[in-house]
Formats: sequence, C-alpha cells, structure tokens
Amino acid sequence: AQSVTQLDSQVPVFEEAPVELRCNYSSSVSVYLFWYVQYPNQGLQLLLKYLSGSTLVKGINGFEAEFKKSETSFHLTKPSAHMSDAAEYFCAVRLSGGSNYKLTFGKGTLLTVNP
Amino acid sequence: ETGVTQSPTHLIKTRGQQVTLRCSSQSGHNTVSWYQQALGQGPQFIFQYYREEENGRGNFPPRFSGLQFPNYSSELNVNALELDDSALYLCASSLGETGNTEAFFGQGTRLTVV
Repeated sequence: AQSVTQLDSQVPVFEEAPVELRCNYSSSVSVYLFWYVQYPNQGLQLLLKYLSGSTLVKGINGFEAEFKKSETSFHLTKPSAHMSDAAEYFCAVRLSGGSNYKLTFGKGTLLTVNP
Repeated sequence: ETGVTQSPTHLIKTRGQQVTLRCSSQSGHNTVSWYQQALGQGPQFIFQYYREEENGRGNFPPRFSGLQFPNYSSELNVNALELDDSALYLCASSLGETGNTEAFFGQGTRLTVV
C-alpha cells in the first residue's frame, strides 16, 4: 500500500516570498506523483505531475517540484508567492502503469499568503 | 472539450436516508473514480469504474455503491446515511487505455447528513 505524508498542515508566507510545501511518500513499488490545488468550495486542479524522466517537474502558475527517490520526497516550490496562491495543496501518489487510477492523498497543506 | 460535471452541488439528507450523486465524465474519458473528502482531510478513494465495471475499491462499506453507464457517466449511491457521511464527494474521470494520463476532477457535491 502507498501512503503520503504532508509534513505541514499550514504554511504561512509573505507575498513575494518563496514557497516550499513538503511531501514524503511510502511505497514498495514504482509510483507516479502529483500535486493538486483546491480553492475553497471547489474541486481539485492538477498543478504538476511526475511520471518518469526528468526529476524536476514544472507546473502551472510557476510551481515546480523535484522527485528525490532516495529521500522518497516530492516537495513543491515556487520562487515568489502571489496572493492568488492562497489555497489548500494536496500531494498524491498512484501506482505507475496499469489502468487503476486510485490516488492516495496526503492530508493537505493550507498555504496562506500575507501582504 | 467539456469538463467533469457533478450534480447536485449541495444537498442535505436525514440520517438513514439514501442519496444518489451524479457525475458526467470529461468527453472521451472511460474511467470514473469517486472520492470522499471529509472536512480538513485529503480525499479518500471510494471506488473506480472502467467501461461500466467496478475495477477498484477503497475501504468503504457496501452501502456505498455505484454505476457507470454506456456514455461513461456515473452515479454514487449511499444507503442508510450516517452523520459521518457528511463530506465533499468528488468525481474524477480519466482515459483508461493508457496508464499515464491524469485524472480530472469535478467541483464536487457537498453532502450534509443531519
């Protein structure tokens, strides 16, 4: 079975400050990794994904993440936060390959951006 | 291309009642998954349907059941509602033939059980 740990339940930053949201996962088999964002009372929007290849993945809205297999981590970063980035962020994993799309999510990290 | 749409957006039910939630998958997608997101938690996988067959289930009791129709739309049915069933229910669709495509989520249905 897979599991995801998001180490911080809440991360406060100032506008234009760098952002780092941490994610660690556990799995005995190969996985795909995802970051989703959720705005209040809305569904989930995909920010970025790692399937294979380059371990540095770029996503929408200036976010990127680096897959570090040795550390089983997939931390999300952004060089400069905007007020519009305030939202809940979820890290997720699923088994690589196959047709089972079951995503296992972390508990989420609430990013707050202060002026 | 149309996105994933869910209905209704909100509803309130009484404990013991039954509820049906609906999901229209994104155009061309043949796989639908359902998730339950309790307040302050990450989404939890309920089950997945691929070409009208259930092909994966999470740790949910049998009173959570589903259907997928020939047009790949889907329903989630919950019988004998309990207070703990209050949550945001999310539907996600994807294309099942290849293993490396993403899941697209709907806006969710907010279910409140009183």
